[in-house]
Amino acid sequence: AQSVSQHNHHVILSEAASLELGCNYSYGGTVNLFWYVQYPGQHLQLLLKYFSGDPLVKGIKGFEAEFIKSKFSFNLRKPSVQWSDTAEYFCAVNAANAGNMLTFGGGTRLMVKP
Amino acid sequence: GAGVSQSPSNKVTEKGKDVELRCDPISGHTALYWYRQSLGQGLEFLIYFQGNSAPDKSGLPSDRFSAERTGGSVSTLTIQRTQQEDSAVYLCASSRGWGSYEQYFGPGTRLTVT
Repeated sequence: AQSVSQHNHHVILSEAASLELGCNYSYGGTVNLFWYVQYPGQHLQLLLKYFSGDPLVKGIKGFEAEFIKSKFSFNLRKPSVQWSDTAEYFCAVNAANAGNMLTFGGGTRLMVKP
Repeated sequence: GAGVSQSPSNKVTEKGKDVELRCDPISGHTALYWYRQSLGQGLEFLIYFQGNSAPDKSGLPSDRFSAERTGGSVSTLTIQRTQQEDSAVYLCASSRGWGSYEQYFGPGTRLTVT
């Protein structure tokens, strides 16, 4: 079965700092990759997704992620964070031939100080 | 359009009682999923429905948990003889179906077992 690891559980940044959140998965086959965000008091929302093609994907609110197949990684990046990016971020993987469910990482809580 | 809705938003129940949680997926979405979000376990897949196919129950933690989906739309997750470890936020998601993996999440039902 696949698993997903997010190495940073809590991250604190000042506004305008750059962000990179790590995500690694364990599955040798074809995968679909996602980053979801949960703002305080709100439900999970999709930030971006990778199915195939260009391994650098761009999502909403200036976020991007790069799929590196050789490293089994899908790290999330943003060049300059804002206070409104304070949220919990979840990496998720779907193994293309193992059903339609998502396997989630443990989440990273990001706090951006104004 | 309307998103995924869930009811109730909060449920407090006594240990040993049965509870039913409801999910209304996005209209036209044929796939429906239940996940559980808890402090100790993160986000876990529970069960998945796709059209008229038999559901994938591989994530259900025990036989006290069951779910049904009537008419290919509304779903009910039932937990019998609730235990304190069942306390969690139960999330429902839907997607357009097989081949389209983007899942849209509802706000969740927070279940507290006392």
